[in-house]
Amino acid sequence: AQKITQTQPGMFVQEKEAVTLDCTYDTSDPSYGLFWYKQPSSGEMIFLIYQGSYDQQNATEGRYSLNFQKARKSANLVISASQLGDSAMYFCAMREGGNQGGKLIFGQGTELSVKP
Amino acid sequence: NAGVTQTPKFQVLKTGQSMTLQCAQDMNHEYMSWYRQDPGMGLRLIHYSVGAGITDQGEVPNGYNVSRSTTEDFPLRLLSAAPSQTSVYFCASSYSAGVGNTIYFGEGSWLTVV
Repeated sequence: AQKITQTQPGMFVQEKEAVTLDCTYDTSDPSYGLFWYKQPSSGEMIFLIYQGSYDQQNATEGRYSLNFQKARKSANLVISASQLGDSAMYFCAMREGGNQGGKLIFGQGTELSVKP
Repeated sequence: NAGVTQTPKFQVLKTGQSMTLQCAQDMNHEYMSWYRQDPGMGLRLIHYSVGAGITDQGEVPNGYNVSRSTTEDFPLRLLSAAPSQTSVYFCASSYSAGVGNTIYFGEGSWLTVV
C-alpha cells in the first residue's frame, strides 16, 4: 500500500496567489514526521518544512505552511504569495519511528508551475 | 559550509563496469543514506547507515553495495552496471534516525549506463 499519496501530478498558479499542494499519508505508528521538499529544474532537493505527529500547531516557515489534519492523515503544503521561482517539483515525505530505520518515504511529487 | 557532497556529478558507464559514487558530510551526522530517483517518480531508498560500521538495505538494494568506515563517508558501489541503474542518485544525511531529524540531500549524481 502506498504510504504517501500526492494526487496532483501538476498544478498551475498565478503569481502572487496562494496554492495548496495535497499530501495524504498512511501509517499505524503514532510517532512520525512529515516533510516537504522542493526540487527545482537544477535537480537538488531542498528541505522546506517539517511537521511532527505530536505537534499541536501547524508548522510555518516564511511563505510555507503545513495544513496538518491528523485525523484525516493529510499534510498539505500551502505556499502563499507565489513567486516565479516557486516553479518546481514538490515532494511530500514521511519518516516513521519504531523499527523503520529512519528511512524517508516519498510521494510521487507535484509539479508546480507559476504563471506571470 | 559544504553539507553533503557527492562526486561525480555526471558519469557514463558501460554495461558491466563497476564504479563508486562518493558521499561525504561535514555535519557530524550519524545517519546517512542513498536514494535513487527515476523519471516521474519520487526517491527510493537503496541503502542506509545509522552509524559507522552499521549499514542496512532499503527498498531497492540489488546491484549496490555500501560500507561506512567513518562517520563522514558513505560510498555507494555499483558492482556490475546495468541499464536499469540509469538514474539520479542522491546521498543524504541527518543527525540521527529519529523522526524529527531533517534529512539533508547532496546535489545528486546523474548516472547513465549504456
